[in-house]
Amino acid sequence: LAKTTQPISMDSYEGQEVNITCSHNNIATNDYITWYQQFPSQGPRFIIQGYKTKVTNEVASLFIPADRKSSTLSLPRVSLSDTAVYYCLAVDSNYQLIWGAGTKLIIKP
Amino acid sequence: DSGVTQTPKHLITATGQRVTLRCSPRSGDLSVYWYQQSLDQGLQFLIQYYNGEERAKGNILERFSAQQFPDLHSELNLSSLELGDSALYFCASSGSQGMVAFFGQGTRLTVV
Repeated sequence: LAKTTQPISMDSYEGQEVNITCSHNNIATNDYITWYQQFPSQGPRFIIQGYKTKVTNEVASLFIPADRKSSTLSLPRVSLSDTAVYYCLAVDSNYQLIWGAGTKLIIKP
Repeated sequence: DSGVTQTPKHLITATGQRVTLRCSPRSGDLSVYWYQQSLDQGLQFLIQYYNGEERAKGNILERFSAQQFPDLHSELNLSSLELGDSALYFCASSGSQGMVAFFGQGTRLTVV
């Protein structure tokens, strides 16, 4: 049975780099791993998506090792506005969406 | 603005009643997903439609049903409502399986 596991919460400080790791087993070998950000009472917002190795965009980087059993979202130089819940999303071999439970990230001044 | 429109934004109804939530996907997106999010909880995937056909089913109760119409908008029907059905209901759309899904702002359902 496919499952994604991520830390329930994390704290950090403004200006620091934050890494959030999601473990995912029994996921599809040929589908993307996606991360979303959610603020209270808003819909999740796409951050980044990758298949393997490293992907970088203007807001984050995503590292996926060759075995694809985990993925790490990296947020460089966080600010107070990065306080949110972050979700990882994978797909299992039956094309079912497997969402993580979310990591509540709190950024302190 | 994600381009996904959900109506209504808020809905208050009594136990035992039936409601319909509506979602208009982004222009050109064929896939629509429905999610339930209870207070301070994660996202629970309910159901996915692709071009009018049911594609995947998650933890959707038998009291709940959905459909996607020829113009690609979708409706989620919730019946025999219980207090525990109070939640945010999100709709998301994507161009196809594996493509990034864009979420609407949600419908907050309160059952009293």
